Amino acid sequence: NAGVMQNPRHLVRRRGQEARLRCSPMKGHSHVYWYRQLPEEGLKFMVYLQKENIIDESGMPKERFSAEFPKEGPSILRIQQVVRGDSAAYFCASSPSSSFSGNTIYFGEGSWLTVV
Amino acid sequence: GQNIDQPTEMTATEGAIVQINCTYQTSGFNGLFWYQQHAGEAPTFLSYNVLDGLEEKGRFSSFLSRSKGYSYLLLKELQMKDSASYLCAVLKAAGNKLTFGGGTRVLVKP
Repeated sequence: NAGVMQNPRHLVRRRGQEARLRCSPMKGHSHVYWYRQLPEEGLKFMVYLQKENIIDESGMPKERFSAEFPKEGPSILRIQQVVRGDSAAYFCASSPSSSFSGNTIYFGEGSWLTVV
Repeated sequence: GQNIDQPTEMTATEGAIVQINCTYQTSGFNGLFWYQQHAGEAPTFLSYNVLDGLEEKGRFSSFLSRSKGYSYLLLKELQMKDSASYLCAVLKAAGNKLTFGGGTRVLVKP
C-alpha cells in the first residue's frame, strides 16, 4: 500500500455535516477505486474512476454520496449530510491500468470517519 | 452478481497450520486475491491466483480451483502476529471491480 495517500486518516463529523475524503493515487496510476468497510465487515466496492470519468458507481448510495477524480489533484469522496450509519473506514486503491492483476492494485491507509 | 463465502472466525495455536476456505460464484472470472488486514489498518496483498493450482510464498500458500469456484489460503507455522482478518476477493473479467468476501478473523493462541 505504499504510495497511495489518503487524508484525513481520521475524521469526526456531527450529523448533518459534510465529509470530504481525499485520495492521491500512486505516481503513474490513473485508475482509482473507493471501498467502504463497516465495523466487523468486509470491504464493499463503491466507485471506480479514471481521470475526469466515473467508470462504475454501482456501489455508491444513490443520495448524499458523490465522487470525482479531476484532471489535476486528488480523487475526492464527498458525503453530504452525514448520518451515524456512514461511520466506517473508507479505503482508496489505485492501479496503473484497467487490467490489474497480482499486486498491481495498491490500497491506501484508509480514512476513518466517525459521525457523532 | 457475485457471492463470496468464507468462515467468519477461526482459532489456531501458535506453530500450527490453518486453512481458510473461500467459495465464490461469479459470471466471469479474472483472478482471486487474498489480503491480510490487521485491526485498524489497510489490507495488504498476500497472493493472487488466476490459474488452477497452488502458489507458495514462504509460510503462506494459496490454492485455486476455477471449476469448483474454490480457493483456500494456507498459513503454516503460525505466529502470534498472524492474528488478523484474511480477505478473499474476486476480480471479474469485465468492469475491473474487485469484490471482497466478509473476511475471516483468525486468532492465534499461545
